[in-house]
Amino acid sequence: QLVQSGAEVKKVGASLKVSCKASNYSFSSYGISWVRQAPGQGLECMGWISADNGNTNSAQKFQDRLTMTTDPSTNTAYMELRSLRSDDTAVYYCARSLWSNYFDPWGQGTLVIVSS
Amino acid sequence: EIVLTQSPGTLSLSPGERATLSCRASQSVRSSWIAWYQQKVGQAPRLLIYGASSRATGIPDRFSGSGSGADFTLTISSLEPEDFAVYYCQHYGDSPGTFGQGTKLEIK
Repeated sequence: QLVQSGAEVKKVGASLKVSCKASNYSFSSYGISWVRQAPGQGLECMGWISADNGNTNSAQKFQDRLTMTTDPSTNTAYMELRSLRSDDTAVYYCARSLWSNYFDPWGQGTLVIVSS
Repeated sequence: EIVLTQSPGTLSLSPGERATLSCRASQSVRSSWIAWYQQKVGQAPRLLIYGASSRATGIPDRFSGSGSGADFTLTISSLEPEDFAVYYCQHYGDSPGTFGQGTKLEIK
């Protein structure tokens, strides 16, 4: 099970940090993928982090603004997105996955609204 | 980067009918790297199929996946009322992965 932090409202130019707490499985045996979905739109992969060694892989469009981390002591993954723009308004999901593998299960999603 | 194109964009069918959803990749891909997800309004996506044809845990056998090369299909043999949702295919062979744009399955 993955439980994410609550909805947030941010200003343009601010930073966002979403948490994803895992339970009922061996956290370090998997990774966490991050996916976002803009209002009325499809799913967009942002990146992946290994919960074992912290290795990350980000989609090119996010590479300069995205930081993913994990805290093994609390079985929690974090996604930080900087320099927010209005088009970053979306629901952000975390999902358990191995490297280059399918996503299952998913967190419940975190709604982020970016306003000026 | 592999681009996935799903068709049709919207599929209007009645309960009990058979649904066939298509996902075409911009180049040939390993079938073991194709998944299908279901997303209902206001909910997170749910994994249905991985490896192109393997059902995820708890998924009813009316859902089946097939295909190879660049063409993949999700088939729902007899639609139940709870099956009306948006369906996404995914290629996960190149981390972090890519999704198709989705097919909305609506009640006719």
